[in-house]
Amino acid sequence: KAGVTQTPRYLIKTRGQQVTLSCSPISGHRSVSWYQQTPGQGLQFLFEYFSETQRNKGNFPGRFSGRQFSNSRSEMNVSTLELGDSALYLCASSLAVVSDTQYFGPGTRLTVL
Amino acid sequence: DQQVKQNSPSLSVQEGRISILNCDYTNSMFDYFLWYKKYPAEGPTFLISISSIKDKNEDGRFTVFLNKSAKHLSLHIVPSQPGDSAVYFCAAGSPGNNRKLIWGLGTSLAVNP
Repeated sequence: KAGVTQTPRYLIKTRGQQVTLSCSPISGHRSVSWYQQTPGQGLQFLFEYFSETQRNKGNFPGRFSGRQFSNSRSEMNVSTLELGDSALYLCASSLAVVSDTQYFGPGTRLTVL
Repeated sequence: DQQVKQNSPSLSVQEGRISILNCDYTNSMFDYFLWYKKYPAEGPTFLISISSIKDKNEDGRFTVFLNKSAKHLSLHIVPSQPGDSAVYFCAAGSPGNNRKLIWGLGTSLAVNP
């Protein structure tokens, strides 16, 4: 069974731009969660989608948004990029609720210049 | 406010010896806990979990101990192997808050040959 895939793996943007990251969950998984990982803050929860609905949201500004499609693939968008948005963005999928074991993708490394 | 704390940013042990990674939490409503392992340039992978109704869970070389009264859990790796060198994250979840996982900042384990 294929694992969680994330595209692109690496991305360089400049301040003020916007970016869209993509995540394809494991086949059959309906829950997709997004995390931001930075050296000083660990894994910070962004949001979780289940059946195309946002079910959980972390404490991030509205510049961070996401969506989930009917095939469970998910995208997250960051608008008006700031230097502090440079991080590893991880996507995780699970069968149902967030408490199920989450399977992570390799992440997208975003660098904002 | 860090509800899940991994107070040791790093740990170094000799191959063959025991590695003990610690995690403290403040929210008494947490009812399940997970450990994940993360190699560089990869997403975290699930290692082992424990429900609050248990005080110990074992899987091969990995054992997690939970002390609810002290709000403390630990991951024991015996014997430690060089391939265990990675960052280990502790995460906790509760029935409320839509079961969103709260993550520690991680402990970097180095197992020396």
